[in-house]
Amino acid sequence: ELKVEQNPLFLSMQEGKNYTIYCNYSTTSDRLYWYRQDPGKSLESLFVLLSNGAVKQEGRLMASLDTKARLSTLHITAAVHDLSATYFCAVNYGGSQGNLIFGKGTKLSVKP
Amino acid sequence: KAGVTQTPRYLIKTRGQQVTLSCSPISGHRSVSWYQQTPGQGLQFLFEYFSETQRNKGNFPGRFSGRQFSNSRSEMNVSTLELGDSALYLCASSSAGVGTDTQYFGPGTRLTVL
Repeated sequence: ELKVEQNPLFLSMQEGKNYTIYCNYSTTSDRLYWYRQDPGKSLESLFVLLSNGAVKQEGRLMASLDTKARLSTLHITAAVHDLSATYFCAVNYGGSQGNLIFGKGTKLSVKP
Repeated sequence: KAGVTQTPRYLIKTRGQQVTLSCSPISGHRSVSWYQQTPGQGLQFLFEYFSETQRNKGNFPGRFSGRQFSNSRSEMNVSTLELGDSALYLCASSSAGVGTDTQYFGPGTRLTVL
């Protein structure tokens, strides 16, 4: 059974600080996704990581993938309040893009 | 391009009733997946449809069913509702198999079972 674990589950940061969210998964998967969810809203796609060593960056967020360690990280640089949200990682299962197994999410709160 | 749309956005039902939720994918997308989101269990995969065929199914009882039409629109049905079915139901679409395609999520249908 494929399991996806994120840590931490809750993260309170001060503006301007850096931090990393970790995502471990238990079996091989050919792609890893990061999504953002604001309260009461749907999921917004952030990154799709396809291969070992893949690194993608968008603004203050950078995601990386180590398939050998079955680990992905989402690094936040110089956090700002607008980044406050819940971040989910997910891996596809069974070779299909449409079957995603999600982690429990990391609720990020950035305080001034 | 219009995004994924879901109707209705909010729904209140009582135990024992049944409900049908609708999802219209992004134009050109042939894969539609459904997920249930609850505070306790998080996001859980329900099923995936591609070209009117169920391609994958999650670990949910048979009360949960779905279908996809020739225009890629999808519906999911929950029969004999239970209190625990109260959740946000999210639909996602993708073009399925093209490059780095990802799943794009709709706004969700919030179902409350009383």
